[in-house]
Amino acid sequence: GENVEQHPSTLSVQEGDSAVIKCTYSDSASNYFPWYKQELGKRPQLIIDIRSNVGEKKDQRIAVTLNKTAKHFSLHITETQPEDSAVYFCAALNTGTASKLTFGTGTRLQVML
Amino acid sequence: DGGITQSPKYLFRKEGQNVTLSCEQNLNHDAMYWYRQDPGQGLRLIYYSQIVNDFQKGDIAEGYSVSREKKESFPLTVTSAQKNPTAFYLCASSIGGASNEQFFGPGTRLTVL
Repeated sequence: GENVEQHPSTLSVQEGDSAVIKCTYSDSASNYFPWYKQELGKRPQLIIDIRSNVGEKKDQRIAVTLNKTAKHFSLHITETQPEDSAVYFCAALNTGTASKLTFGTGTRLQVML
Repeated sequence: DGGITQSPKYLFRKEGQNVTLSCEQNLNHDAMYWYRQDPGQGLRLIYYSQIVNDFQKGDIAEGYSVSREKKESFPLTVTSAQKNPTAFYLCASSIGGASNEQFFGPGTRLTVL
């Protein structure tokens, strides 16, 4: 089955700096890669996703890049703000053979004032 | 955030007792999921259901059971066979399969005394 590794487990940045979270996956046929954000005490919410037919996707200050050859994808947050502080989870799915997402272990991002 | 609810928010049980966690959604979603969240381990899938009266085991189904008698409801029973049931449990739903956005409930924190 699919295996997703995520790092770092914790990340501290100064407000205004950029943050990068990286994930690797094992199934070369995986083709859907969402990112979920979970603020403290709240439920996870989808913030961005990418499918394997594109290499990059942006939504305001967040972007995701995908390198299919290396089997890794990354979340980039620019101009970080205190409200970006949360736990971020990556996930992967092979829509052809699997019916369930495999999540990474999460990255706790702290944006310091 | 509305549309998918879980109850209760906190649940305490004695060892050897079964307990059922409720999950209800009014989003008309076909698919529903149960995840377990432990510190440092991300979101691990327990069971999922893509249609009424059908469900499949996830990665950590041992000691758990589910039913899907109605589209709106997907209760999870934590049985006495689950060796380490203390955890935070999240229910989610999606309009189609796992390659669509999953909407999460607020979660239930189960503590075994």
